[in-house]
Amino acid sequence: DIQMTQSPSSLPASLGDRVTITCRTSQDIGNYLRWFQQKPGKSPRLMIYGATNLAKGVPSRFSGSRSGSDYSLTINSLESEDMAIYYCLQYNEYPFTFGSGTKLEIK
Amino acid sequence: EVQLVESGGGLVQPGTSLKVSCVASGFTFSDYWMSWVRQTPGKTMEWIGKIKYDGSQTNYAPSLKNRFKISRDNAKSTLHLLMTNVKSEDTATYYCTMGAYFDNWGQGVMVTVSS
Repeated sequence: DIQMTQSPSSLPASLGDRVTITCRTSQDIGNYLRWFQQKPGKSPRLMIYGATNLAKGVPSRFSGSRSGSDYSLTINSLESEDMAIYYCLQYNEYPFTFGSGTKLEIK
Repeated sequence: EVQLVESGGGLVQPGTSLKVSCVASGFTFSDYWMSWVRQTPGKTMEWIGKIKYDGSQTNYAPSLKNRFKISRDNAKSTLHLLMTNVKSEDTATYYCTMGAYFDNWGQGVMVTVSS
């Protein structure tokens, strides 16, 4: 199975900050990576697909990037509504695998 | 608007079977692959499997394929997950998702396996 090493597990940040969450893959997955946001008590929501593409309705302060086997989700100018758990997912190879999640919280 | 509504969860005893279902609306169900994902109480996410739009193909996580079965009824826009010989580690929230790669998610249904 492809391992998704997601970091950090917890990220305290202030409103207006720029934050980055990273997933490192154990094998090449091309750009078959997605990012999901899960707010407390809610279902996950697709944020980024194909590593760099913004899903419909997602604010432009969110972006995705790739550097080798490191895939990153960046949020510019953090807002209170962004506080959530973020997960990465690889869908290049079966079984699809998720990162362990990053809890983004107000410092 | 896409809506996915799961049902059928609850408390079940180890070794028994349970079927959870998901009724879809807001899109043409028979045009889409559908998937199941679960989330443990510790928030770990796990892919269960997916089914082709016409039900002719399924793919499963190897660790679950011998006990879990995904099916669909396109006439009723309904997705099913049959879980057999359930174990305590199957305790989780089960999500129905639209598409092969989880474009939209239902609200989830809780399954607790305990004696």
